[in-house]
Amino acid sequence: QQQVKQSPQSLIVQKGGISIINCAYENTAFDYFPWYQQFPGKGPALLIAIRPDVSEKKEGRFTISFNKSAKQFSLHIMDSQPGDSATYFCAASGAAGNKLTFGGGTRVLVKP
Amino acid sequence: GAVVSQHPSWVICKSGTSVKIECRSLDFQATTMFWYRQFPKQSLMLMATSNEGSKATYEQGVEKDKFLINHASLTLSTLTVTSAHPEDSSFYICSATAAGPNTEAFFGQGTRLTVV
Repeated sequence: QQQVKQSPQSLIVQKGGISIINCAYENTAFDYFPWYQQFPGKGPALLIAIRPDVSEKKEGRFTISFNKSAKQFSLHIMDSQPGDSATYFCAASGAAGNKLTFGGGTRVLVKP
Repeated sequence: GAVVSQHPSWVICKSGTSVKIECRSLDFQATTMFWYRQFPKQSLMLMATSNEGSKATYEQGVEKDKFLINHASLTLSTLTVTSAHPEDSSFYICSATAAGPNTEAFFGQGTRLTVV
C-alpha cells in the first residue's frame, strides 16, 4: 500500500521557472512532512519540512504548501536553477525522528 | 546539519559472500538508526529500524537473517548482507536521529552494493 503518492514522476522546467511537486497521503496519523533532495549516487538531504499546524512554510526559494483537509502537500521551487536538477522526495511520518514513508520521487531537470 | 557517514561508499562482492556496511553519526548520539534500500530510479524503502542496545525491527518482507543489523553503540550501526546474491545489488542508505521529540533524521551518503 503506497501511503504517500507523489506526482509528477518527472518535470522539466526552464531556468528561472517554478517547479511544483505534489504529494498526497492517506494516514491521518502522519504529523511531519519533509521534502528531500537527492543527487545521483548520494543520500537524500533534507530541504524543508512542515507540520500540519501551518499551511505554508518558506525557506529561501523553497516553499511547502499544506492542505490538511485534503491530505495534500506540495513543494514549490521558485527561480529554478540548473543546480536544482535532482530527484525530490516527499515523505511523511508520525513525528520528526520517526520512520519515514517516502513518495515515489520526482526527477526535476532545469534547462539553462 | 549533523553528519552521518557510511562506509564503504561502494562495494563489489562475489555471490555467496557477506558484506558489512557501517553507518556512523559523527557529531551526535544516534539513539535510532534506519536502514533503507533504493533500487535505480525508485524511492527509498525502509528495511529496518534499530535502536541502540535493542534488536532491530524489520519491515514486512525483509529477511532478518539475511540483513543483519547491529546497533551496539550510540554512534554506530552496521548492516551485514549475508550470502549476497545479484538480486541484493542495490543502494543502501542509513539515517540517524538523536534522542528527544521532533528531532529530524540525517542521512548517510549511501553504499552502492554490486554482487557479481
